[in-house]
Amino acid sequence: DGGITQSPKYLFRKEGQNVTLSCEQNLNHDAMYWYRQDPGQGLRLIYYSQIVNDFQKGDIAEGYSVSREKKESFPLTVTSAQKNPTAFYLCASSDRAGTGELFFGEGSRLTVL
Amino acid sequence: AQSVSQHNHHVILSEAASLELGCNYSYGGTVNLFWYVQYPGQHLQLLLKYFSGDPLVKGIKGFEAEFIKSKFSFNLRKPSVQWSDTAEYFCAVMNTGFQKLVFGTGTRLLVSP
Repeated sequence: DGGITQSPKYLFRKEGQNVTLSCEQNLNHDAMYWYRQDPGQGLRLIYYSQIVNDFQKGDIAEGYSVSREKKESFPLTVTSAQKNPTAFYLCASSDRAGTGELFFGEGSRLTVL
Repeated sequence: AQSVSQHNHHVILSEAASLELGCNYSYGGTVNLFWYVQYPGQHLQLLLKYFSGDPLVKGIKGFEAEFIKSKFSFNLRKPSVQWSDTAEYFCAVMNTGFQKLVFGTGTRLLVSP
């Protein structure tokens, strides 16, 4: 089955630790995105990548980092600099950047203790 | 900055009632418009989209939306809801120049049988 796989689904972390969320897609899509979903705030864009080895900051990139070394993979690192990291993180992909038609993964819920 | 407003945060309806969820956006240029839906325990998925042409667009499961350019609106409608329509609905707008998809805060719909 083609799709987007995010792991882990649930993650707990202590304050001051970095954590990396995995996102893999087998849809052969060029563009990939990371969103953060908080209750009552909808989805906010963290980073996006339109092509391998290139990515751009979204609206709330501070405290996060990404890499795009392979077309299929777009991992997100939540660093200790992120002041409020507890959230639901969604990865998405699109076969054509700029269309807005996104395919989403199941999400990863990060809780900082 | 581009923004999307969804005025109804929670909506409760009985089965067979009609549904209209409001969505307004702030950008004055060319936009692509979307409604995404997140059923309980499932991925966020595309419900319908508008790029150009007929401003009344039809999506899956009997949903439709009307683009009214003069009102910067893209309201979602369904003549008769079912219990299975219980979900969270997100309006999203992509400014074709910036290629970023901006989401509204979402509307939780509960349909009682």
